[in-house]
Amino acid sequence: GAVVSQHPSRVICKSGTSVKIECRSLDFQATTMFWYRQFPKQSLMLMATSNEGSKATYEQGVEKDKFLINHASLTLSTLTVTSAHPEDSSFYICSAPVTAQETQYFGPGTRLLVL
Amino acid sequence: KQEVTQIPAALSVPEGENLVLNCSFTDSAIYNLQWFRQDPGKGLTSLLLIQSSQREQTSGRLNASLDKSSGRSTLYIAASQPGDSATYLCAVRTGNTDKLIFGTGTRLQVFP
Repeated sequence: GAVVSQHPSRVICKSGTSVKIECRSLDFQATTMFWYRQFPKQSLMLMATSNEGSKATYEQGVEKDKFLINHASLTLSTLTVTSAHPEDSSFYICSAPVTAQETQYFGPGTRLLVL
Repeated sequence: KQEVTQIPAALSVPEGENLVLNCSFTDSAIYNLQWFRQDPGKGLTSLLLIQSSQREQTSGRLNASLDKSSGRSTLYIAASQPGDSATYLCAVRTGNTDKLIFGTGTRLQVFP
């Protein structure tokens, strides 16, 4: 099956700093990638759709200036949490769809802790 | 707005039991439904994908059914094992997009 990687797997940062999370499709190209957020013992909430070569589409209630998304190539999307605060601490997961298989492949996730 | 709910939220059983996990969705106009497994602190692994025109899918000890008209799906796990312990998530895809709407999850623990 297709493989999606994320980097870093976990990050601890101070409040007010920015953190960049990378999502890569390793053996296929993805014109679209999805970014999810998951709080402890809760389900995945879609934050935004990352579109290669164009602006990301954000879900209702997600601040686009807070969560910057860049999809500069067909295999890489980045999520930058700007001016992070403790309430941004969460598990961030990306996914990339493989249209022919009608499914999405998920990265292993990035755990962010903001102190 | 599509809402996906899973019951029970948590389940703890001795190994060997047959299990049924439930998923319900409010808008029956789905494209497909998928069941995923998530181990603690990890990403998601797809278990079964059911197209809107299908009634069920099977893979090994897993069987997923879909009743689109009533907005329900079940995941049946036969002869459960401790290695089945994980969180199980169902997700629906609606319309012509790749977006997935996830359920609330069922945390399963199978003890020896």
